[in-house]
Amino acid sequence: DVKVTQSSRYLVKRTGEKVFLECVQDMDHENMFWYRQDPGLGLRLIYFSYDVKMKEKGDIPEGYSVSREKKERFSLILESASTNQTSMYLCASSTGTTSGNTIYFGEGSWLTVV
Amino acid sequence: AQKVTQAQTEISVVEKEDVTLDCVYETRDTTYYLFWYKQPPSGELVFLIRRNSFDEQNEISGRYSWNFQKSTSSFNFTITASQVVDSAVYFCALRFGTGANNLFFGTGTRLTVIP
Repeated sequence: DVKVTQSSRYLVKRTGEKVFLECVQDMDHENMFWYRQDPGLGLRLIYFSYDVKMKEKGDIPEGYSVSREKKERFSLILESASTNQTSMYLCASSTGTTSGNTIYFGEGSWLTVV
Repeated sequence: AQKVTQAQTEISVVEKEDVTLDCVYETRDTTYYLFWYKQPPSGELVFLIRRNSFDEQNEISGRYSWNFQKSTSSFNFTITASQVVDSAVYFCALRFGTGANNLFFGTGTRLTVIP
């Protein structure tokens, strides 16, 4: 079974703090993703990585950065957390970007910024 | 435009009833894939099934079955003899073409199974 593991399930951070969300996948997938999920807005892609040290912006990259130093690990960084970044964050991975490749998701990280 | 519609926002059933979750999609691509995911209250999005646009065979997996009909652009999901553990939000999704942002989700159907 594919396993995408997000290290922190529940976090509470203060406005202005730097926040790291870590994600590890165990299936040697080239592609990794960070989404956020908000009620009424569905899933929105923040960043995507198709290889180590490679990244592409998604629909809502503002206020976020990412790091992929190893193939299995993809980190999402909130440089200076703000209350409008309170959300559920989902990491995902996939073998490729064509339509037939299933995207597998992690357990989610619930972030509250106060 | 690509679009996935799940018209049922919330459904409640009593345990052991059968329930069908509807999904209607829209795409101009001839090659595409359809997916169902389950999101229980704990939050993880669990992959359930993938179906490609050229394979209209229905699929059954235990109490789950899926009915794909290209003629009506629908990919419906039926749970037979529902159980409390089936309570979750279910998402239908469409993926087409190539790229990072080529996965489109419906808005989800919240299923509550009452014991």
